Amino acid sequence: AAGVIQSPRHLIKEKRETATLKCYPIPRHDTVYWYQQGPGQDPQFLISFYEKMQSDKGSIPDRFSAQQFSDYHSELNMSSLELGDSALYFCASSPQRRDNSPLHFGNGTRLTVT
Amino acid sequence: AQSVAQPEDQVNVAEGNPLTVKCTYSVSGNPYLFWYVQYPNRGLQFLLKYITGDNLVKGSYGFEAEFNKSQTSFHLKKPSALVSDSALYFCAVRDRGSGNTGKLIFGQGTTLQVKP
Repeated sequence: AAGVIQSPRHLIKEKRETATLKCYPIPRHDTVYWYQQGPGQDPQFLISFYEKMQSDKGSIPDRFSAQQFSDYHSELNMSSLELGDSALYFCASSPQRRDNSPLHFGNGTRLTVT
Repeated sequence: AQSVAQPEDQVNVAEGNPLTVKCTYSVSGNPYLFWYVQYPNRGLQFLLKYITGDNLVKGSYGFEAEFNKSQTSFHLKKPSALVSDSALYFCAVRDRGSGNTGKLIFGQGTTLQVKP
């Protein structure tokens, strides 16, 4: 079965650079979520989209922005990168925002800021 | 505010023994509860969920979880642990009223170590 695809798997950037992470949800999933997981931490919710509109916002820095496109894929744009942004970034998708449907996670993008 | 607590950073069990990974939650109303497992450098994999009905929920890989409303708990269990079950386990909650967002709130995670 198709899963959530994230690219790239690994990304190394220097401080103050920008990064773009991409997420391709499971087909027919119209809701996308972004999470950040620091070393030894639980995943922290950043932002979500439903039908290409932002549906919720969590602890996402102002330096970050995201959007969902017409084909439902999503991109997380990160600017003025800081050392503390080094983390595993997960995208998840679910169908039709149903409360009882689980989120399906991708394998994540590991961002290292040097 | 919704929150999930996993009181144990690590649980150690011997292969073949039963295992329990604890989770308690604090939400308004009745929540949807989930368990996920994470292997190193991988995404979170869905194990099971509680929506309504029977308090004992069965999931993937022989795992089950027991919902206890009075104790606001949702402990993960398995009758006989395998070495391959060693991983990081997350309990998560989703507010039933979150139809417009659906985000999950995760606990801190519990590392399960199963020794041969």
